[in-house]
Amino acid sequence: GDSVTQMEGPVTLSEEAFLTINCTYTATGYPSLFWYVQYPGEGLQLLLKATKADDKGSNKGFEATYRKETTSFHLEKGSVQVSDSAVYFCALSERYNAGNMLTFGGGTRLMVKP
Amino acid sequence: EAGVVQSPRYKIIEKKQPVAFWCNPISGHNTLYWYRQNLGQGPELLIRYENEEAVDDSQLPKDRFSAERLKGVDSTLKIQPAELGDSAVYLCATGTSGVGGQFFGPGTRLTVL
Repeated sequence: GDSVTQMEGPVTLSEEAFLTINCTYTATGYPSLFWYVQYPGEGLQLLLKATKADDKGSNKGFEATYRKETTSFHLEKGSVQVSDSAVYFCALSERYNAGNMLTFGGGTRLMVKP
Repeated sequence: EAGVVQSPRYKIIEKKQPVAFWCNPISGHNTLYWYRQNLGQGPELLIRYENEEAVDDSQLPKDRFSAERLKGVDSTLKIQPAELGDSAVYLCATGTSGVGGQFFGPGTRLTVL
């Protein structure tokens, strides 16, 4: 079955540091890929997405590129802020699934210190 | 545009008691999902609705969980009776038939004592 694997956290960085959160996936078809963010006490918010190979999703300074050859969708940001502290979830949705059911990774907690 | 609304935000009950969660989707979103998120883990799908029809409930523990989506809009998820292991955050998400992703509500944090 489909699965998503993320690097375990917490990831602790100083403000303005470079961020990478690794995400790899296994899928039987050709999935769409997503990053969701969950701020403390809030629900999940869609951060960015990519629907085909080599697509780059971007939002709020975050980027991720759909790499089919390495089955990866790593999240990056050039300069993190304290306000980026949250839990980040990588997810996939198979195209054949008309309901677009999401399969999530376990989440990676990011802590940014001033 | 209003987001997905869930209530209550928090619920504390004793084991063997019933509990219900309510979700109001974004207007026009025909697909509705209920997920359970255990502490430190990603959400796991419980049930998916297309309009008022439950099209995927294979992960729903049907001995104690039930859900409904009358008129294809609001949905309720019920647990009766609750067990200690049901303590989790229950998330509602809605979407359309495209690949635009799902929109999540804030969740209901359930604590079973």
